[in-house]
Amino acid sequence: EADIYQTPRYLVIGTGKKITLECSQTMGHDKMYWYQQDPGMELHLIHYSYGVNSTEKGDLSSESTVSRIRTEHFPLTLESARPSHTSQYLCASSDPVRLAGAEGDTQYFGPGTRLTVL
Amino acid sequence: SQQGEEDPQALSIQEGENATMNCSYKTSINNLQWYRQNSGRGLVHLILIRSNEREKHSGRLRVTLDTSKKSSSLLITASRAADTASYFCATEGDFGNEKLTFGTGTRLTIIP
Repeated sequence: EADIYQTPRYLVIGTGKKITLECSQTMGHDKMYWYQQDPGMELHLIHYSYGVNSTEKGDLSSESTVSRIRTEHFPLTLESARPSHTSQYLCASSDPVRLAGAEGDTQYFGPGTRLTVL
Repeated sequence: SQQGEEDPQALSIQEGENATMNCSYKTSINNLQWYRQNSGRGLVHLILIRSNEREKHSGRLRVTLDTSKKSSSLLITASRAADTASYFCATEGDFGNEKLTFGTGTRLTIIP
């Protein structure tokens, strides 16, 4: 099991609410990512960070924002949730230190937050 | 545009049979990785194959990579009920510091 955690696991909220999805990892990884995934579908990268004070938008346009004040913490915030934001949100981290016998940026995923906006 | 597309989208086989799923991609890569996702959970890394490798094994997993065809296959031998999951390929570009781009996934069901 990877040492990467997400809270809450499930969240049901009303339209217009501000929410923050938490993600933390204890592996000391510099790189962290947020993906959005609808059930049974592919993952879409919405934000990533290569270290403290570094944040970038991903391939999928998102109305969410992220911050990276500490290495271990990468929260995602929705200022005003809408039903179109209903999805699963996956956080991941990776470390460019190479695994024995392999070279590459292997990602470690948290369990996900399933968000439903009514 | 979609980097990785997987085939088939869904596969059901009897326990003990072998399962093969394929992944195609569009651009040059540094490596290709396969991940497994159990229902409602995050992804778990299975195996990584570099662009200069053609085949790699890990336990009951065998991965092949054909860079000329921009395709990869994942073979799971002697399948078990616990192998039921979605399987995603992911490619890392060859320009350094690249993000992973995930495929559309194959939903594998092992029938006991």
